[in-house]
Amino acid sequence: EVQLLESGGGLVQPGGTLRLSCAALGLDFSKYAMGWVRQAPGKGLEWVSHVSASGGRSYYTDSVKGRFSISSDASNNILFLQMSSLRAEDTATYYCVKDRRQSGSECVFDLWGQGTLVTVS
Amino acid sequence: QSVLTQPPSVSGALGQRVTISCTGSASNIGAGYDLNWYQQLPGAAPKLLFFGFNNRASGVPARFSASKSGASASLAITGLQTEDEADYYCQSHDRRRGVVFGGGTKVTVL
Repeated sequence: EVQLLESGGGLVQPGGTLRLSCAALGLDFSKYAMGWVRQAPGKGLEWVSHVSASGGRSYYTDSVKGRFSISSDASNNILFLQMSSLRAEDTATYYCVKDRRQSGSECVFDLWGQGTLVTVS
Repeated sequence: QSVLTQPPSVSGALGQRVTISCTGSASNIGAGYDLNWYQQLPGAAPKLLFFGFNNRASGVPARFSASKSGASASLAITGLQTEDEADYYCQSHDRRRGVVFGGGTKVTVL
């Protein structure tokens, strides 16, 4: 069964750092763009970042540019989100997502993990 | 405020038809970018329903349909079931902001 398993969430103080991981099981990582979508408690979905299948192109929402960095370990099928200078407004459940496509700025997220909660307080 | 505008809530009786609108602009849907729909059941992760405006994802029941009109899109549920109670989100690409989601619509079965 293909699935995405996130880890690394937790409680962190404002200004702190955290690294989220996403293990892609049963999936050929090198074939798809991957990314992160977050959801603040009781709020809607917000795209955070995604990276092309090759890892050559990455995209970020404006509010996290310069603070978050997306990367991947293709040999182990793991996606990362390095978060720094965290703010209270970054508090959310972070979902790892798989794109139907290999690359490009348009996305279709056809597989979602169960999410990992990040609390900045 | 979301770039894609959805009604906060819609409701309908069991078996009825409900529609959810998603209104964009010339910088996203109107610019020719695709529109996708997701369903989020209570306490669960979102799930893809439709991609490319009206392409049904695997396993999505036929009572769900989707369409596009200009810079707007719609999701319809015909024959509303209790298990359809969920939040629904539209998603596209915006020239200025990248990947964007609508604010979400809560569907309630009366």
